[in-house]
Amino acid sequence: GQQVMQIPQYQHVQEGEDFTTYCNSSTTLSNIQWYKQRPGGHPVFLIQLVKSGEVKKQKRLTFQFGEAKKNSSLHITATQTTDVGTYFCAGPGGGSNYKLTFGKGTLLTVNP
Amino acid sequence: KAGVTQTPRYLIKTRGQQVTLSCSPISGHRSVSWYQQTPGQGLQFLFEYFSETQRNKGNFPGRFSGRQFSNSRSEMNVSTLELGDSALYLCASSLTSGRADTQYFGPGTRLTVL
Repeated sequence: GQQVMQIPQYQHVQEGEDFTTYCNSSTTLSNIQWYKQRPGGHPVFLIQLVKSGEVKKQKRLTFQFGEAKKNSSLHITATQTTDVGTYFCAGPGGGSNYKLTFGKGTLLTVNP
Repeated sequence: KAGVTQTPRYLIKTRGQQVTLSCSPISGHRSVSWYQQTPGQGLQFLFEYFSETQRNKGNFPGRFSGRQFSNSRSEMNVSTLELGDSALYLCASSLTSGRADTQYFGPGTRLTVL
């Protein structure tokens, strides 16, 4: 079945440093979604990418969808303590099975 | 608009018991999906209901079942609980049942099986 891998599993940075998490799918994705889960919270939708090579920005966050639509990345510039949490990517399966498969996430901690 | 609500928020059960969790989606959302989240396995899809019909199912044993009512509220049932069923159970709603639909998650039900 479809697999979605994320690296790294954990990332600890000093406040102000940049952070990147990478997502790779075993199959081509029709779209990819990113979610953030704060400690003790629930996943919250951040963004969806649909087009090959698409780049979207949300303030300090930059999301990219690969040309082959099998990988994606999230880059945070100048991290802040409010960025702490686990970042998940998720992609739908193919054919009639379009349930979202989530990566295991990257836990970001920020040292003030 | 009110968000997705889940009850109860916390639950402690013993092995062999059964449990029912409830989820109320965002008003107007017709699709409800259930996920199990554990530290080891991450977020795993259980099933999705749309218009009272199960549309998709993940790779979980038949002890896990669900249903959806005409008002889109959904319940999930786990029978014959095992220690490994201890997890955060998240419900997510979306407007429709499609590949591009954003999932709006509820706060979850933390289930502990002793």
